[in-house]
Amino acid sequence: GNSVTQMEGPVTLSEEAFLTINCTYTATGYPSLFWYVQYPGEGLQLLLKATKADDKGSNKGFEATYRKETTSFHLEKGSVQVSDSAVYFCALTYNRNSGNTPLVFGKGTRLSVIA
Amino acid sequence: SAVISQKPSRDICQRGTSLTIQCQVDSQVTMMFWYRQQPGQSLTLIATANQGSEATYESGFVIDKFPISRPNLTFSTLTVSNMSPEDSSIYLCSALRGGSTDTQYFGPGTRLTVL
Repeated sequence: GNSVTQMEGPVTLSEEAFLTINCTYTATGYPSLFWYVQYPGEGLQLLLKATKADDKGSNKGFEATYRKETTSFHLEKGSVQVSDSAVYFCALTYNRNSGNTPLVFGKGTRLSVIA
Repeated sequence: SAVISQKPSRDICQRGTSLTIQCQVDSQVTMMFWYRQQPGQSLTLIATANQGSEATYESGFVIDKFPISRPNLTFSTLTVSNMSPEDSSIYLCSALRGGSTDTQYFGPGTRLTVL
């Protein structure tokens, strides 16, 4: 079936440190891949996405590259800020025969950035 | 992107009662979904809200417990029926536009506590 595995947290970093959150997936066909972010007390916001192999999604200094050969979509940021503290979810969407396209989420990784 | 609002934003309910959550999108969308996020967990898809027909439920979720309506292309409701403390979660709706995009946008969520 379709599934997403992401590194477990929590991850604690100092401000300006480099961030990597690993995400791998299992899917039939060619899913689209997403990173969503959930700030404390808020709903989910789309951070970035990639829809085909070798695509790079980027937003707010975050990047992730769709690697089909390794079935991965790791999230990176060169210099984190305290305001990046949140829970990050890797997700994929796939087309079902019924035509709808639900999201399958990883378990989430909590990031805490300290000054 | 789509702007999605949910009401109520939070509620505290007694065991055995029911709560209806509303989801409003600022423009017409092809698909709407309802997810549940249990405390400290990832998101799980409850059902796809189909306009003009019965919702499509995922394994483990049934219409008697989570009746869903979608009377038009911009509005949906989810009812959590005969609640128990195990239903305490954040409930989120999302929307997907047709065409080339496969990006789901989420509402802010409804935080439900059942006593």
